Amino acid sequence: DQQVKQNSPSLSVQEGRISILNCDYTNSMFDYFLWYKKYPAEGPTFLISISSIKDKNEDGRFTVFLNKSAKHLSLHIVPSQPGDSAVYFCAASASNTGNQFYFGTGTSLTVIP
Amino acid sequence: EPEVTQTPSHQVTQMGQEVILRCVPISNHLYFYWYRQILGQKVEFLVSFYNNEISEKSEIFDDQFSVERPDGSNFTLKIRSTKLEDSAMYFCASSWGTTGAYEQYFGPGTRLTVT
Repeated sequence: DQQVKQNSPSLSVQEGRISILNCDYTNSMFDYFLWYKKYPAEGPTFLISISSIKDKNEDGRFTVFLNKSAKHLSLHIVPSQPGDSAVYFCAASASNTGNQFYFGTGTSLTVIP
Repeated sequence: EPEVTQTPSHQVTQMGQEVILRCVPISNHLYFYWYRQILGQKVEFLVSFYNNEISEKSEIFDDQFSVERPDGSNFTLKIRSTKLEDSAMYFCASSWGTTGAYEQYFGPGTRLTVT
């Protein structure tokens, strides 16, 4: 039951350019979305979030866009830096299911110096 | 900065054996979780725990699994009789609040290998 999908398993971007990571979901009850970043041998770390009442949230180089009608969110990183190379997971939750997050399969981002 | 810690980092066990994975959540957090990630697959929710009881669990979390908060700091996941398919990374997480608005802080994970 793949409620959250990340269709691109990998992405390569030149340093300084924009990285765009995409995520689609199927459950219209999801009202909170997060992006996590994961380095090898470490647990996921929180990056940025957005609630369903917004369509954009920005934090420094990271911006998350939410398109509720399309059930799609994206993470923009600009400018991309080599240290951004990691696996990025999007996750979603619904208030009526409390605190369970549903994760996508992740996108491995490589930023080429 | 406070962090979630997990021990051991790697556990190798034989099929049918019991394993206990340990986690120390962030001290003022109230909600605790276990997730697992089978190699190459997505991170999957197992269970959430609040006020000394399970608040939610997934279909994966069957009778072979149990969780406990034996004291004020540790949070454990027990697998009674491990199967080969239990081999995965197991992540513990904690959060201050219960709705999705509260980010979950993850530990570094325990790699469980069942042979």
